Amino acid sequence: DAGVIQSPRHEVTEMGQEVTLRCKPISGHDYLFWYRQTMMRGLELLIYFNNNVPIDDSGMPEDRFSAKMPNASFSTLKIQPSEPRDSAVYFCASSTGLHGYTFGSGTRLTVV
Amino acid sequence: EDKVVQSPLSLVVHEGDTVTLNCSYEVTNFRSLLWYKQEKKAPTFLFMLTSSGIEKKSGRLSSILDKKELFSFLKITATQTGDSAIYLCAPGGSNYKLTFGKGTLLTVNP
Repeated sequence: DAGVIQSPRHEVTEMGQEVTLRCKPISGHDYLFWYRQTMMRGLELLIYFNNNVPIDDSGMPEDRFSAKMPNASFSTLKIQPSEPRDSAVYFCASSTGLHGYTFGSGTRLTVV
Repeated sequence: EDKVVQSPLSLVVHEGDTVTLNCSYEVTNFRSLLWYKQEKKAPTFLFMLTSSGIEKKSGRLSSILDKKELFSFLKITATQTGDSAIYLCAPGGSNYKLTFGKGTLLTVNP
């Protein structure tokens, strides 16, 4: 198994542009989580899905952020419009509950 | 709101030293507490603790959970430079989401 796959690895964009981050979870994992990591705030949970259904999006900072999971093998996190304060590393993780919680390699987003 | 506090925030030691990293938590419907090691990329799994007082060991690393005091620690003996990393504590509840502490940055100098 290739693990959790995220793309792109790095993204540099200008303020105001739309950014889309992608994630392919481990096959058979029915939970998918999006986290954001910054020096100031550490790892914060943005949203998570169970069986493709969003369960808790209370961590999504504002309406500029949206996430979808159209099927069991794909999820996106979109920021529109992006702002410099969105610069962070975004991690996707998948699991079968608390067991086997596995992170992707992350997307480093820089908004200039 | 779930809370996780790790201490110390950073620690510098010499190779061969023993270190103890602390984690206190408040989580609704607590189920388990996980420890992760993060070097340059994604966090990697170390331990999952569910029962109080039972030590989990992996080589030079060990960890115990105290569910009464809402506390866990991670101990590393005979530290090596390769142990330098951020160590993250993450309790999880019945909803299966993990709440992460800000981590302890451990630096092991030769």
